[in-house]
Amino acid sequence: DADVTQTPRNRITKTGKRIMLECSQTKGHDRMYWYRQDPGLGLRLIYYSFDVKDINKGEISDGYSVSRQAQAKFSLSLESAIPNQTALYFCATSLAGMDGYTFGSGTRLTVV
Amino acid sequence: DAKTTQPTSMDCAEGRAANLPCNHSTISGNEYVYWYRQIHSQGPQYIIHGLKNNETNEMASLIITEDRKSSTLILPHATLRDTAVYYCIVRGLNSGGSNYKLTFGKGTLLTVNP
Repeated sequence: DADVTQTPRNRITKTGKRIMLECSQTKGHDRMYWYRQDPGLGLRLIYYSFDVKDINKGEISDGYSVSRQAQAKFSLSLESAIPNQTALYFCATSLAGMDGYTFGSGTRLTVV
Repeated sequence: DAKTTQPTSMDCAEGRAANLPCNHSTISGNEYVYWYRQIHSQGPQYIIHGLKNNETNEMASLIITEDRKSSTLILPHATLRDTAVYYCIVRGLNSGGSNYKLTFGKGTLLTVNP
């Protein structure tokens, strides 16, 4: 099983619908992150969480919300999806300190 | 955060060493250099990181210049599976501040040719 699991892998949804992307990890890491990637661009940080009681906005949080249900679970919600939220979404985890991040395989979201 | 500059693309022959440069001339004393790669639409993969000494692991070597203003990632024997976008990222040491986060640029597309 993957260390960082994202569900669903692919999703097509209609404009205005609410959608939740889920991330779970077996790494035992305390920090979790949500990134978005658009074609030809690098990854941009949406939200991050250092522990269950800590939630922080990243550089592009507008239109998104998150929930850290447990140390191992971090979900991203689009309350009312719009077409320009069509993108590849990645969840990542890390420990405090300078070690590398572990990324999930991504969720490809299309809003029509 | 210190900014990085990488070539947009590079080619390498299979079996040869791939040397990927990165310029980070504004790096500060407590910032590390990280390298990640992303194979077509997969999640980025951590490769290596360093502060000022050269580092080596099972994937690659990282050479950091003495003034720390640039670095080179070396894949000693590139294979076709090493074709990916390689990201050079500078990240701060202070986990309590804002500079601990990874900020991705556009990276270098390395194409390994048969």
